[in-house]
Amino acid sequence: NAGVTQTPKFRVLKTGQSMTLLCAQDMNHEYMYWYRQDPGMGLRLIHYSVGEGTTAKGEVPDGYNVSRLKKQNFLLGLESAAPSQTSVYFCASRKQGGNEQYFGPGTRLTVT
Amino acid sequence: RKEVEQDPGPFNVPEGATVAFNCTYSNSASQSFFWYRQDCRKEPKLLMSVYSSGNEDGRFTAQLNRASQYISLLIRDSKLSDSATYLCVVNGGGSYIPTFGRGTSLIVHP
Repeated sequence: NAGVTQTPKFRVLKTGQSMTLLCAQDMNHEYMYWYRQDPGMGLRLIHYSVGEGTTAKGEVPDGYNVSRLKKQNFLLGLESAAPSQTSVYFCASRKQGGNEQYFGPGTRLTVT
Repeated sequence: RKEVEQDPGPFNVPEGATVAFNCTYSNSASQSFFWYRQDCRKEPKLLMSVYSSGNEDGRFTAQLNRASQYISLLIRDSKLSDSATYLCVVNGGGSYIPTFGRGTSLIVHP
């Protein structure tokens, strides 16, 4: 039981490049979330999903897109990376009716 | 005003000390409350839930005050390994989205 995994762990992009971050969970959780964490800002919600095929915007969605084609996967896309998107990205999942969120180990992204 | 507020610290305490953190929340409809721990460059992990009657887990005690809309975390006999950031999390009020505080940094020194 791997829990929540994230790919890749680290990435350096040039401004304007695109990439996709993958989050996978093997706990059959309905809810999945993407956060970014910057120094002094805490965790900020980018997008979330309450089930397969559904997504919704969080607090800071601009510049990101997401998809949840399969229940176990939640993808975060950056179409045209900007230096302001340099951050640590965490994915999390939660069971419907449950309270605890389970986090992945994070992806450290640098945009130059 | 942020929905969940915490003193960022850092709280710098010697080993063996008792330290307490508070967290205030603005949504009176909030239903469940938690403390998460986040080590440097790691993901947050659940430390403990916070129940209305208060609850204890070893050296850690969590309390909820609904009237004043705050929760607290007390750590007794601090260990070096307690050094981390402690995140207050509030759920409910009809939302799928847990609300995180920005965290309180604790440094325990020898």
